[in-house]
Amino acid sequence: QLVLTQSPSASASLGASVKLTCTLSSGHNNYAIAWHQQRPRKGPRYLMKVNSDGSHSKGDGIPDRFSGSSSGAERYFTISSLRSEDEADYYCQTWGTGIQVFGGGTKLTVL
Amino acid sequence: EVQLLESGGTLVQPGGSLRLSCEASGFTFSSYAMTWVRQAPGKGLEWVSSISDSGGSTFDAESVKGRFKISRDNFKNTLFLQMNNLRADDTAIYYCARSPGSNVEWSDYWGQGALVTVSS
Repeated sequence: QLVLTQSPSASASLGASVKLTCTLSSGHNNYAIAWHQQRPRKGPRYLMKVNSDGSHSKGDGIPDRFSGSSSGAERYFTISSLRSEDEADYYCQTWGTGIQVFGGGTKLTVL
Repeated sequence: EVQLLESGGTLVQPGGSLRLSCEASGFTFSSYAMTWVRQAPGKGLEWVSSISDSGGSTFDAESVKGRFKISRDNFKNTLFLQMNNLRADDTAIYYCARSPGSNVEWSDYWGQGALVTVSS
């Protein structure tokens, strides 16, 4: 079964870096994922697609301080030079034939 | 500029029906697969239904199978979600989202959502 696992929460200080993790279920190591940001009381916003080889492609207007990477079944999303506006929920998403799957989301707090 | 605008959200009684619409603009609607995703109050994102670019293939989550039906009108650039036999746990914000191509893959653009409340 295709499942994505995310830590419920993360925190980091203003100006620092933070790395969020999304883990694919066993047997799905080769799947790509997408990262989405959801600020409070807003709709989701597509950030980037991260492939199994670590390459990534960003959505329109996504800043350079946002990046993605991979290792085995884990897909990462890194924010450098944290700003207050980065405080949001972050979701990973993957897909199979005719289905989409979301992780439970990580709430990022900027201290 | 890609824009997705949902409408039709409202308060409906349990067992009732509702149709959501998503009007698309800024891209060739008929060339892209589309998806409905929902978010219950205080919860995460949940995939609901997807449809291929032509409308020839549709896919539904188990939680809505047999009750919800996704469709599209490529002449009117509009995506629909017909929801029947609604239950309290269908209460959520419903988002429409676009896939980057003709097949159902990830979502690269999202609408702002339509609130559906199922309550007596």
